[in-house]
Amino acid sequence: KAGVTQTPRYLIKTRGQQVTLSCSPISGHRSVSWYQQTPGQGLQFLFEYFSETQRNKGNFPGRFSGRQFSNSRSEMNVSTLELGDSALYLCASSLPGQGASGEKLFFGSGTQLSVL
Amino acid sequence: AQSVTQLDSQVPVFEEAPVELRCNYSSSVSVYLFWYVQYPNQGLQLLLKYLSGSTLVKGINGFEAEFNKSQTSFHLRKPSVHISDTAEYFCAVSDWGAQKLVFGQGTRLTINP
Repeated sequence: KAGVTQTPRYLIKTRGQQVTLSCSPISGHRSVSWYQQTPGQGLQFLFEYFSETQRNKGNFPGRFSGRQFSNSRSEMNVSTLELGDSALYLCASSLPGQGASGEKLFFGSGTQLSVL
Repeated sequence: AQSVTQLDSQVPVFEEAPVELRCNYSSSVSVYLFWYVQYPNQGLQLLLKYLSGSTLVKGINGFEAEFNKSQTSFHLRKPSVHISDTAEYFCAVSDWGAQKLVFGQGTRLTINP
């Protein structure tokens, strides 16, 4: 069974640009969560989608947005990039009704975004 | 609000020595606790979890952790480490249905031969 797939693996952008990251969950998983990982702030929750609806959102500015498609694939978009947006963006998927969050989360390898 | 504190940012140990990675949490509700491991250039992998029941939980790769409610701690232990355990370890907390994890800052475990 294929794992969580994130594309691209690496991305370099300049300030002011926008970027779209993609996440394909494990087959059958309908919940997709996104996390940002930086050396200074650690791992922070961005948002979570289930059945194309955002169920939870972290404390990030409106420049960060996401969506989920009917096949459960998810994208996140960051507009007007800032230097501080440089980070590893991790996607995780899970089956619905698996219990406490984290119990059955499967993480992808992430997209490393560098903003110059 | 929930928060997690990992008391050591780096822990160097010798191969085959025991190790303990410390984690303290704060929450106003019942919590569920997790330890994840991140190997270089990879995502996170669940090591073990505490949801309820026995306070001593065993995970993969010989790791175990003990939930201590009175001390609000969830320390991770391994009796004998191997070079392959070199990685970053994250403690995390969630509450039921929140569908999100709050992570600690991570502890980098370095194994010296």
